[in-house]
Parts: sequence; structure tokens; C-alpha cells
Amino acid sequence: KAGVTQTPRYLIKTRGQQVTLSCSPISGHRSVSWYQQTPGQGLQFLFEYFSETQRNKGNFPGRFSGRQFSNSRSEMNVSTLELGDSALYLCASSPNPQGSGANVLTFGAGSRLTVL
Amino acid sequence: AQSVTQLGSHVSVSEGALVLLRCNYSSSVPPYLFWYVQYPNQGLQLLLKYTTGATLVKGINGFEAEFKKSETSFHLTKPSAHMSDAAEYFCAVSDSFGNEKLTFGTGTRLTIIP
Repeated sequence: KAGVTQTPRYLIKTRGQQVTLSCSPISGHRSVSWYQQTPGQGLQFLFEYFSETQRNKGNFPGRFSGRQFSNSRSEMNVSTLELGDSALYLCASSPNPQGSGANVLTFGAGSRLTVL
Repeated sequence: AQSVTQLGSHVSVSEGALVLLRCNYSSSVPPYLFWYVQYPNQGLQLLLKYTTGATLVKGINGFEAEFKKSETSFHLTKPSAHMSDAAEYFCAVSDSFGNEKLTFGTGTRLTIIP
């Protein structure tokens, strides 16, 4: 069974640009969450999607957005990039937040974004 | 709101020695608690979780943790460290069933001394 796949794994952008990151969850998983990991702030929750609906949102500015498609794949977008957006962005999936697999997240390897 | 405190950002133990990584939580409701491990250039892998029931939880790779409500702790232990245990470990808390929003601690980097 394939794990959570995140693309691209590495990317470099300049300030002011925008970026889109993609996440393919484990087959059959319907919930996707996104986290930002930085040395200074650690792991911080961005948002969670289930059945194409945002269930939960962290404390990030509106420049950070996401969406989920009908096949459960998810994308997140960061507009007007700032130096502080440099981070490892982790995607996690779970079967169903309302079922027996609730609260058990499987993480991808992440997308490492560097903003110059 | 929940929070997690991991005591010791770096812990070193000798191979074969006891591993003890400390985690204290703060939660206004009964917490759901987790330990994750992260190897270099990889995502996080779930080691174990506590939701309800037995307070001693066994996980993968020989790790276990005990939920102590009176001490608001969820320390991670392993009787005998192995070189392959070198990694960063994160304690996390969720405030409810089905809430995928986890609040993570700052992590503890475990080094194994040969």
C-alpha cells in the first residue's frame, strides 16, 4: 500500500512568488491535514480537509490556503511568499476522522520550501 | 487549549541503556496523546497513542508510554536503546476524538552512544 506522497520534495522560490504543494493520501483515506515545520516554531497545524470541506484551520494568515479534491488529493497554496515561509510542509492522512481510524495520522516525507 | 512540554531538547543514552523521554501536557478536557518519531529527511511516524482505556500503551519498536493523569504526563520509555533509535521524537495532544488538529511539543533529539 503506497504511503502519503508529497510533491515536489524540494523547491526554491523568491519572495513575492506563490507556491502550490500537492499531497496524495493513502488510498482510501479521506482526511488530509497539513503542518508546517520550522526550527523556530516547530510543528504547527495549518488546516484539515475531509470530504472536500475544511474542518479545521490553524492560526496562519490568509496567504495560506488549501483545498481537497473529490479523490481526496489535496493541495496547499502560499501566496506572496516571505522569507519566514521557508519550512518543511508535511501532509498527513487518516481514514476517517469520525471512524475507528480517527486521530491516527500517517505523514508524508514533506515538501521542503526555501524562500530566497 | 492544549499544550505539550517536552523536557530536554537533546537526550543521549548509551546503547543498551534505558531510554526515557519526558512529555507533560496541559488540557482542559481528557486528552488524546501521541508519540511520533522523525528520522532525517522523513516525515513523522506514529509510535503509539493513548485515547481511552489502559494507561500503559505499547507501541512499535519496543517503545511504551504511560498516561498519568495526576502528573499530566505521558513519558516515553524503551528498556534497551538501539542505534537505530537515534531520531527526533515528538509528543502531541489532541483535545477530542476525530480532531486531527494535533498540538506538538518542541521535540527531543535522541542520540545513542555506541
